[in-house]
Amino acid sequence: EAGVTQFPSHSVIEKGQTVTLRCDPISGHDNLYWYRRVMGKEIKFLLHFVKESKQDESGMPNNRFLAERTGGTYSTLKVQPAELEDSGVYFCASSRLNMGGDEQYFGPGTRLTVT
Amino acid sequence: SQQGEEDPQALSIQEGENATMNCSYKTSINNLQWYRQNSGRGLVHLILIRSNEREKHSGRLRVTLDTSKKSSSLLITASRAADTASYFCATPKHSRLTFGEGTQLTVNP
Repeated sequence: EAGVTQFPSHSVIEKGQTVTLRCDPISGHDNLYWYRRVMGKEIKFLLHFVKESKQDESGMPNNRFLAERTGGTYSTLKVQPAELEDSGVYFCASSRLNMGGDEQYFGPGTRLTVT
Repeated sequence: SQQGEEDPQALSIQEGENATMNCSYKTSINNLQWYRQNSGRGLVHLILIRSNEREKHSGRLRVTLDTSKKSSSLLITASRAADTASYFCATPKHSRLTFGEGTQLTVNP
């Protein structure tokens, strides 16, 4: 069974540009999550999809971030326009169940550098 | 307030020694999970301990949970250089996981 995959693995962009990150969850996992780790700090929750619906987007930092999951399969996270403080590692995770603690399987992350 | 605070923030040991990392949390939990992140790689789930469990083993890993003190520990026995990584505890709230800042473990060969 393939794990969670993320693309790209690294992205370097200039302040003001747009970047789109992609996550492919494990097949059959209805729950998809985005997290990020900024400047070596703690990993913070961004949002949670159940199929194509946003279940919880309370962790999204501001309206420069837009997440979609059309069709309930893969998800994209777009940052537009990117700012310096957006640099960090963006992780995607998926889980089969949504029961407040089912194991979440994480992807390798996308390292975003905004210069 | 922050859930899942680990200590120490950094730990450096020699290969073969044991490594102990601690985690404290603030609210009630159903379970507590430990993850590892190797440099440049994703998060790997290590072990999940439920609130009604006090201790759990998985290979060279031993996790304890003390719900009265709202704390957990992760013990790695007979450490190897490949264990060098950041270790995080995480607690679920609703469907999200809340992570601490992690412990950076360095195992010197």
